Amino acid sequence: QSALTQPASVSGSPGQSITISCTGTSSDVGRYNYVSWYQQSPGKAPKLIIHDVTSRPSGVSNRFSGSKSGNTASLSISGLQTEDEADYYCSSYTSSSTVAFGGGTKLTVL
Amino acid sequence: QVQLVESGGGVVQPGRSLRLSCEASGFTFSGYGMHWVRQAPGKGLEWVALIWYDGSNKYYADSVKGRFTISRDNSKNTLYLQMNSLGAEDTAVYYCTKILSGTYSSDYWGQGTLVTVSS
Repeated sequence: QSALTQPASVSGSPGQSITISCTGTSSDVGRYNYVSWYQQSPGKAPKLIIHDVTSRPSGVSNRFSGSKSGNTASLSISGLQTEDEADYYCSSYTSSSTVAFGGGTKLTVL
Repeated sequence: QVQLVESGGGVVQPGRSLRLSCEASGFTFSGYGMHWVRQAPGKGLEWVALIWYDGSNKYYADSVKGRFTISRDNSKNTLYLQMNSLGAEDTAVYYCTKILSGTYSSDYWGQGTLVTVSS
């Protein structure tokens, strides 16, 4: 079971937009629309911010959006705020009936 | 409100066993699948296991297959993870999570319980 590939870090200034990529294979990201994104602040449990590629749970800001093209999913954050500084993880269901996570991306808001 | 409370973590010697529990409340536990997800200190998230709402199907990460067993008691609203033959690589915070209906996403997470495998 291979982890999905995310950039280790991204950064942006307040008000800017950023995108985090999540690359898998035709056996996971490319095959299913079961891609999720989680936000984790230091010392806290992760929080679901996107499920099923593009859906936002109730209460999650519409500044967060998800998309997918082929084997790569993406999380976009618009109007960056200092409170968005956190680690972000993607995950996908796989053809082995398992779940794969990405290695995580640290977002720094400069 | 949904609450997931893990327990059972601690320090255990290599090769020994440990059972984690996750007590659920605030939702109809028997209607939802559940995951265990772990996070080694300073590392990323790693999916461990999945169990369907009725316990009829269970799936495991290769790293724990044959050593860990996920189970549930819907009469007690409790999820379990039996961990055998523990090694240093199993040291992590273990989270139980509730699966969002119709997806494989985790919409609620517990606070986690730390398992440290050390002699």
